[in-house]
Amino acid sequence: QKEVEQNSGPLSVPEGAIASLNCTYSDRGSQSFFWYRQYSGKSPELIMSIYSNGDKEDGRFTAQLNKASQYVSLLIRDSQPSDSATYLCAVLRAQKLVFGQGTRLTINP
Amino acid sequence: EAQVTQNPRYLITVTGKKLTVTCSQNMNHEYMSWYRQDPGLGLRQIYYSMNVEVTDKGDVPEGYKVSRKEKRNFPLILESPSPNQTSLYFCASYSSSYEQYFGPGTRLTVT
Repeated sequence: QKEVEQNSGPLSVPEGAIASLNCTYSDRGSQSFFWYRQYSGKSPELIMSIYSNGDKEDGRFTAQLNKASQYVSLLIRDSQPSDSATYLCAVLRAQKLVFGQGTRLTINP
Repeated sequence: EAQVTQNPRYLITVTGKKLTVTCSQNMNHEYMSWYRQDPGLGLRQIYYSMNVEVTDKGDVPEGYKVSRKEKRNFPLILESPSPNQTSLYFCASYSSSYEQYFGPGTRLTVT
């Protein structure tokens, strides 16, 4: 079992809809969780971090954490073509960030 | 402007020729890391540093060396590069929150 698992996609969503990205992790002791966006050929950029169970909202982005079920998700409201990218989930484990392989998201105009 | 810089951005070299990829940050972060990114394998940590003169292995340290003599700099050294080290390399810096900020990447090809 991989430490951090994401569906590789591609996930195709129409413009204006909600994109839902999911991530599961294996280490129940993990405390910190991060979502990064990576455009093709570019470096990952931090979208959000979340540390407590529940929802955290930042503009069109909402991160959701459920530690009991060991999953973290990212919702993107009013999806725009510029949101087309690979989204990486990362989990802090023993002072190291472990990344999932990423979900490729395509927003169709 | 807060940033992480890496040089060179692109490098083609031959097997066995020592090389160094530099990384510098201007955010006064204590922590820095090196990652490699390969298709199908994702981002994997090579080495990280928690402060000056404090470094530790990540998940794929074989064939790499690092040093942290100054807080802002964290060079990655390949003493004898091999073709399996052909990859896209990222440096990152961060504080104790672990919100990592990545450099632009170095695409390395070893022939």
